[in-house]
Amino acid sequence: DAGVTQSPTHLIKTRGQQVTLRCSPISGHKSVSWYQQVLGQGPQFIFQYYEKEERGRGNFPDRFSARQFPNYSSELNVNALLLGDSALYLCASSLNVGVNEKLFFGSGTQLSVL
Amino acid sequence: KNEVEQSPQNLTAQEGEFITINCSYSVGISALHWLQQHPGGGIVSLFMLSSGKKKHGRLIATINIQEKHSSLHITASHPRDSAVYICAVRSMEGGGADGLTFGKGTHLIIQP
Repeated sequence: DAGVTQSPTHLIKTRGQQVTLRCSPISGHKSVSWYQQVLGQGPQFIFQYYEKEERGRGNFPDRFSARQFPNYSSELNVNALLLGDSALYLCASSLNVGVNEKLFFGSGTQLSVL
Repeated sequence: KNEVEQSPQNLTAQEGEFITINCSYSVGISALHWLQQHPGGGIVSLFMLSSGKKKHGRLIATINIQEKHSSLHITASHPRDSAVYICAVRSMEGGGADGLTFGKGTHLIIQP
């Protein structure tokens, strides 16, 4: 079975542009979560979706939005890009949420904002 | 606000040594994850703990809920264990809707 896949792997944008990142979870996984990792830091939680509903949102501005589709894949959108949005964006999927949650991470999308 | 502190930040050891990485957190949690990140970004989940101790091969993870502390141990360390090890917790507050809070990671280098 394929693992969690993210696309694109690398992306270069300029300030003010908009970007869409995509994530396909492991087959059968209904939860997808998104994280931002700035170089040298631990990841920071952005969003979690379970069964197509938003289950949680981290401390990120409204420029960040996401959605989950009927096939459980997900998109993360970032509008009006800032230099500080340059980071590795990680997606993780899990079968469920909570105490028995085991996370499977994708390889990430490296976003550079110039 | 939930904070997750890891120590040490950096650790260099010789092959075969016993390694301990520590994680402390500030609020009640429902679960704690230990993750391994290799250069290039890929993250692998090593353990998910809510109590007690788990072992997988040369890796052992323990958690003390009362003291809000967890440790990751590596026995007979090997150069292939070189990676960043990250602790992440899911708070009990807000029904877990705040997602995971991550430590900054411990950068481990095992020299041959």
